[in-house]
Amino acid sequence: NAGVTQTPKFRILKIGQSMTLQCAQDMNHNYMYWYRQDPGMGLKLIYYSVGAGITDKGEVPNGYNVSRSTTEDFPLRLELAAPSQTSVYFCASSPTLGGGAGTDTQYFGPGTRLTVL
Amino acid sequence: KQEVTQIPAALSVPEGENLVLNCSFTDSAIYNLQWFRQDPGKGLTSLLLIQSSQREQTSGRLNASLDKSSGRSTLYIAASQPGDSATYLCAVTDYKLSFGAGTTVTVRA
Repeated sequence: NAGVTQTPKFRILKIGQSMTLQCAQDMNHNYMYWYRQDPGMGLKLIYYSVGAGITDKGEVPNGYNVSRSTTEDFPLRLELAAPSQTSVYFCASSPTLGGGAGTDTQYFGPGTRLTVL
Repeated sequence: KQEVTQIPAALSVPEGENLVLNCSFTDSAIYNLQWFRQDPGKGLTSLLLIQSSQREQTSGRLNASLDKSSGRSTLYIAASQPGDSATYLCAVTDYKLSFGAGTTVTVRA
């Protein structure tokens, strides 16, 4: 079990460039999430998905897009990179929504560190 | 809107001392509360999950309490070790996880 994997680990973009952050999980979880973490701050939810073909916005969706064509993959797209998108991006997955009303937790990938100059 | 606050932002203790990390949240309508550990350059690892109906959870040297009515949780780490140095994040669950900014712990050998 690889768990949640993310690529790339690091990336530097110029203002206005586009890129896709990749996320994959092999635990057959229906629920997947994208967070960003700014220095000294907690994680903020960008988008989440409750299953293939279904996505919804989180707290900070502006400037991002997602798709979920398979259970395993949940890529995050930045269309026109801006310096405000400099952050560390984490993908996570869980068996149930929000980590679960019961005992399920979310499993996190190692993160992608993105710098926009 | 749920707000999660962690105090202190940073903590430095000598090895062997007990650690006390605090978390407060504004909306008590939560399903559960979790404590995560984050090592530099790494993702988050779940340490303890307390369901809303529970008062505490224990795992080894770690003990977390939850007082939902007052919107508080405390993570205790007994007999700290240098390997406990990390950032500890608290998160509460309604339909999503809302995170605090974390407490960065340094345990000095």
